[in-house]
Amino acid sequence: EPEVTQTPSHQVTQMGQEVILRCVPISNHLYFYWYRQILGQKVEFLVSFYNNEISEKSEIFDDQFSVERPDGSNFTLKIRSTKLEDSAMYFCASSPMREGYRTDTQYFGPGTRLTVL
Amino acid sequence: GNSVTQMEGPVTLSEEAFLTINCTYTATGYPSLFWYVQYPGEGLQLLLKATKADDKGSNKGFEATYRKETTSFHLEKGSVQVSDSAVYFCALKKAGTALIFGKGTTLSVSS
Repeated sequence: EPEVTQTPSHQVTQMGQEVILRCVPISNHLYFYWYRQILGQKVEFLVSFYNNEISEKSEIFDDQFSVERPDGSNFTLKIRSTKLEDSAMYFCASSPMREGYRTDTQYFGPGTRLTVL
Repeated sequence: GNSVTQMEGPVTLSEEAFLTINCTYTATGYPSLFWYVQYPGEGLQLLLKATKADDKGSNKGFEATYRKETTSFHLEKGSVQVSDSAVYFCALKKAGTALIFGKGTTLSVSS
């Protein structure tokens, strides 16, 4: 069964460094998402992406964050200058279209744990 | 604003016990409601969903009924197994928007 994959599983970085988290969505899906979960807190929406542009973003997704689909398979989240409070589990998700509409169901990857020191 | 509140864990049960994990929501309009499960080392998987009031979602012996009058979507299973040990997330979604999750409830089932 196809699944969303994410790399790396764990990333450790120094405060102020740039990180890129990578995701490979399910191949025929067209909507892509990033969520994050700070330890002990809720899973929070960051951004959704469709047709090579951001379709929705939360207030968390400020100028330090960017997303890109650099090729036909990868979907990346970049954090330009990491802060301690960016430490979290980051989940990528994708969803298919059915009859021209985005479906409700989102398929999630296993997550990347980002630790900022 | 829209939000989801689910019971704090961890929930610890013996095999074959009855499970209830409470979930209530706050939302304008008519959201769709979901339960996702995360097994150790894996991503969030959709367990079940309901898209309108009084709908019952079910999968793998789990059930949840969309109760608009009590704004609830409690997860139940009649007889849990060790393999059900995981973190369970309640979530809501309004059309055209992202999922809004609860904090998650850890279930631990022992034999």
